[in-house]
Amino acid sequence: AQSVTQLGSHVSVSEGALVLLRCNYSSSVPPYLFWYVQYPNQGLQLLLKYTTGATLVKGINGFEAEFKKSETSFHLTKPSAHMSDAAEYFCAVSPAGGSYIPTFGRGTSLIVHP
Amino acid sequence: SAVISQKPSRDICQRGTSLTIQCQVDSQVTMMFWYRQQPGQSLTLIATANQGSEATYESGFVIDKFPISRPNLTFSTLTVSNLSPEDSSIYLCSVVELAGFNEQFFGPGTRLTVL
Repeated sequence: AQSVTQLGSHVSVSEGALVLLRCNYSSSVPPYLFWYVQYPNQGLQLLLKYTTGATLVKGINGFEAEFKKSETSFHLTKPSAHMSDAAEYFCAVSPAGGSYIPTFGRGTSLIVHP
Repeated sequence: SAVISQKPSRDICQRGTSLTIQCQVDSQVTMMFWYRQQPGQSLTLIATANQGSEATYESGFVIDKFPISRPNLTFSTLTVSNLSPEDSSIYLCSVVELAGFNEQFFGPGTRLTVL
């Protein structure tokens, strides 16, 4: 069984500031980890994913996330927020390998102030 | 990567009626799913659409309320029956590419409002 906890339903930052969205997971087997973004009135789009190998994963739009097994975390960061980053962000986990469906967190709404 | 389209993109329906949502994928995929996203909530998996057999429903979802068809590997429909205001949600079609380490691709969603 697996689960995902996203700390903070809303995160507010100023344009140009660091973005940090937190995600902790639990999984009884090695996980695949994902971050998805949902812009208003759109479906979900994959930002980045961790499967194996390097624990620091770079994604689209300047986002990156680091897999920390000891902390069971996969936090999403971006050095400098842009107004266009305002969206809903979802963290997801699935067991590595096999035909498993990812489990999604509740989502974090990122608000970017001018 | 799979490209998914959904029809309709949005609809407003009366209580007691039904809405059928279509999902079309540009490639053959094994795993296709239907999710519900209620306002301000995360995604809830409704069912796995199985080609040529009955869908596999998650706890809390039943075939009479959410009948699903999947006649081939690129197309599926979800019907939301006997609508009530509580069914007002975004319904998302999704596919998983196993070769892509379980990466999911999502359709743009269908926004349903029930009056």
